[in-house]
Amino acid sequence: DAGVIQSPRHEVTEMGQEVTLRCKPISGHDYLFWYRQTMMRGLELLIYFNNNVPIDDSGMPEDRFSAKMPNASFSTLKIQPSEPRDSAVYFCASRTSGVETQYFGPGTRLLVL
Amino acid sequence: KQEVTQIPAALSVPEGENLVLNCSFTDSAIYNLQWFRQDPGKGLTSLLLIQSSQREQTSGRLNASLDKSSGRSTLYIAASQPGDSATYLCAVSSSRLTFGEGTQLTVNP
Repeated sequence: DAGVIQSPRHEVTEMGQEVTLRCKPISGHDYLFWYRQTMMRGLELLIYFNNNVPIDDSGMPEDRFSAKMPNASFSTLKIQPSEPRDSAVYFCASRTSGVETQYFGPGTRLLVL
Repeated sequence: KQEVTQIPAALSVPEGENLVLNCSFTDSAIYNLQWFRQDPGKGLTSLLLIQSSQREQTSGRLNASLDKSSGRSTLYIAASQPGDSATYLCAVSSSRLTFGEGTQLTVNP
């Protein structure tokens, strides 16, 4: 298995632009998680899905952030409009029911200028 | 709200030394505790997972212990190697997975 796949790996954009991050979970995994990692706040859970349904989005910082999972093999995290404080590494992770171990993707490093 | 603290923030040791990384958490009502490794510029790799009913887990040179009542876990690394150099994160699962800020380990040859 290729593991969790994220794209792009790096993104540089200007303030005010829309940013879309993509994630393909491991095949057969029914849980998908989006995390953000910064030096100041460490690793934070933004939102997670179970069977494509958002279960807990309390970590989403504000309305500028939205996440979707249209099918079991694809999820997006969108920031519109982006701001410099959104600069961080965004990780996607997945796991299967009954197994607590999460498998992380390589992350998307986002820089908003 | 669950809070996870890791001590020390950074650690530098000579190759071959045994070492202990510490993790503490504020809410003992947890499902499990996990230790992850993160290499620079990479994602996280799960090392060990301890269920709340367990006291320890071992994998090779790694041994993790859990004392739920005191809100503490330790990760013991035996005979450290330069390849062990990475950031080690502790994560506690209650209503959600909450991470500590990590211990940055450097093993010097």
